[in-house]
Amino acid sequence: EDQVTQSPEALRLQEGESSSLNCSYTVSGLRGLFWYRQDPGKGPEFLFTLYSAGEEKEKERLKATLTKKESFLHITAPKPEDSATYLCAVRGNNAGNMLTFGGGTRLMVKP
Amino acid sequence: GAVVSQHPSWVICKSGTSVKIECRSLDFQATTMFWYRQFPKQSLMLMATSNEGSKATYEQGVEKDKFLINHASLTLSTLTVTSAHPEDSSFYICSARTSGGATDTQYFGPGTRLTVL
Repeated sequence: EDQVTQSPEALRLQEGESSSLNCSYTVSGLRGLFWYRQDPGKGPEFLFTLYSAGEEKEKERLKATLTKKESFLHITAPKPEDSATYLCAVRGNNAGNMLTFGGGTRLMVKP
Repeated sequence: GAVVSQHPSWVICKSGTSVKIECRSLDFQATTMFWYRQFPKQSLMLMATSNEGSKATYEQGVEKDKFLINHASLTLSTLTVTSAHPEDSSFYICSARTSGGATDTQYFGPGTRLTVL
């Protein structure tokens, strides 16, 4: 059974204080690791897909990296508008079309 | 990125009535769509997977007679909550998967807040 664990559950940062969110996973044959951002009362917004260890992707202040056991979402010099819940999900060989989600990290960036 | 819409964005209904939620992929064809439910401060819970033209596959514990799913076309799936009760109040989110292949991605709709009085 695929499993995803995200840490920390909540993270408070000052504006400009860089940090990283962790997503640890176990999966039978990784077919993709996905990062989403979710604002309160809204659906998840797609950020990145990573497929193989060593792969990195960037978008503005966000950078996602992947190893065989975990993924990190690095946030550089965050701004208050980066405050949201960040969700990590994996799709494995045995899961068919399904994504397995972690519990999310709630990020709060204070000005 | 691809766009998925949901309608309505919120609905309030009386106990015992049925509510239909529409999910559309606006700029791509989705052979597979998913319906999720989310409780406050919790992660997404998959309810069912629907493939165009065939019956939906429901997750364990989800009542198929209560949550009717129809995926009539490659761009539209509907979720009908039949005889809704207050415990069905939740945030319902649909997702559409871009067509097959190794690099497909799931895009989510904005969600529908259902409140059953």
